[in-house]
Amino acid sequence: EVQLVESGGGLVQPGGSLRLSCAASGFTFSSYWMSWVRQAPGKGLEWVANIKQDGSEKYYVDSVKGRFTISRDNAKNSLYLQMNSLRAEDTAVYYCARRYPLGCLDYWGQGTLVTVSS
Amino acid sequence: QSALTQPASVSGSPGQSITISCTGTSSDVGGYNYVSWYQQHPGKAPKLMIYDVSNRPSGVSNRFSGSKSGNTASLTISGLQAEDEADYYCSSYTSSSTQVFGGGTKLTVL
Repeated sequence: EVQLVESGGGLVQPGGSLRLSCAASGFTFSSYWMSWVRQAPGKGLEWVANIKQDGSEKYYVDSVKGRFTISRDNAKNSLYLQMNSLRAEDTAVYYCARRYPLGCLDYWGQGTLVTVSS
Repeated sequence: QSALTQPASVSGSPGQSITISCTGTSSDVGGYNYVSWYQQHPGKAPKLMIYDVSNRPSGVSNRFSGSKSGNTASLTISGLQAEDEADYYCSSYTSSSTQVFGGGTKLTVL
């Protein structure tokens, strides 16, 4: 059974940093692109970042470029999102998702809440 | 990276059919057959319902179907059931190798 479990969310002050983790199991993690998607309270889904199987390609939504970094450790079956210079508008539930080649996200974690507030 | 356009809400009675549209551009919806649809119940993670425009993952009811014409994709739900009441999001691969979601549509089963 495919499982994705996010952790690392919490309350952080504006300008602060946070590192999210996603532990994957039930599939060959190193064979799939992975993604982060977020959802602000009461709002819609927003794709945040993708990373290729070997980490050689990474893509980001414009609003997080230069502030967020997606990475992975295939030996640990783990996906990460390093978030720096956090802003109030980054407040959201962050989901880790497995990307089926070119475009769909077939398995999702339960999400972890990030709150940016003073 | 503009969001795809979906109606904010749709509604239908049990047993009826509804269609949700998703409009993009030639750089996303119109340019690739990589449109997917997600169902999200309150407080839950999204669930994949349709991928590659019209394919259903294993376990998804055949009451859900997808199609595309030009820059607009559509999700049709036939034989509406109370459990279908949820938010629905479309998504597309883009020419920038990124992904974009629609703003979401709230489906109400009357």
